[in-house]
Amino acid sequence: GIQVEQSPPDLILQEGANSTLRCNFSDSVNNLQWFHQNPWGQLINLFYIPSGTKQNGRLSATTVATERYSLLYISSSQTTDSGVYFCAASRGGGYQKVTFGTGTKLQVIP
Amino acid sequence: DAMVIQNPRYQVTQFGKPVTLSCSQTLNHNVMYWYQQKSSQAPKLLFHYYDKDFNNEADTPDNFQSRRPNTSFCFLDIRSPGLGDAAMYLCATSRGLGPGNEKLFFGSGTQLSVL
Repeated sequence: GIQVEQSPPDLILQEGANSTLRCNFSDSVNNLQWFHQNPWGQLINLFYIPSGTKQNGRLSATTVATERYSLLYISSSQTTDSGVYFCAASRGGGYQKVTFGTGTKLQVIP
Repeated sequence: DAMVIQNPRYQVTQFGKPVTLSCSQTLNHNVMYWYQQKSSQAPKLLFHYYDKDFNNEADTPDNFQSRRPNTSFCFLDIRSPGLGDAAMYLCATSRGLGPGNEKLFFGSGTQLSVL
């Protein structure tokens, strides 16, 4: 199956700082999603972005499918951004299981 | 608001005692999934339903079964829980399968403890 790797594994930010999280995948994808898992375990879908760029408030994401990576940008970070960020991907060609990356654990300190 | 609801939030069971976790959705999505997530790990897909069609992952133990009596509800049955089954169980839905339809919406999860 497809391999999904995320970096960095851990990140500590001062409130107000910006950051970039990276997701690399081993094959062409037709499905790339970013999630935020808050400290209570809830997974929130941030972006469905198999290609191109999207923005939602302080968050934006870019997927370069031909280069097999996706980036999640967090600007002006807040303590509520803390948690684990997962990317998840699946290949094209009929149904393919979504594979989650190992996640980036983000801690934003006041 | 349309959503995915899991009950209970916390479930404690005894070793070997069957337990059922429930999930309901008001999104009217065709696909419902069950994921298992252990501490500091990524969610792991156990199985999914596309409408009434059940799809089991090859490495899902026989101890785990699922039922989907209608579009809105899906249940996870663990027939004989072992200590290794203690985990967060996440239910998710998507509109369908294939490009453009696989955006996942998750419930808040059920944290299962096995004593």
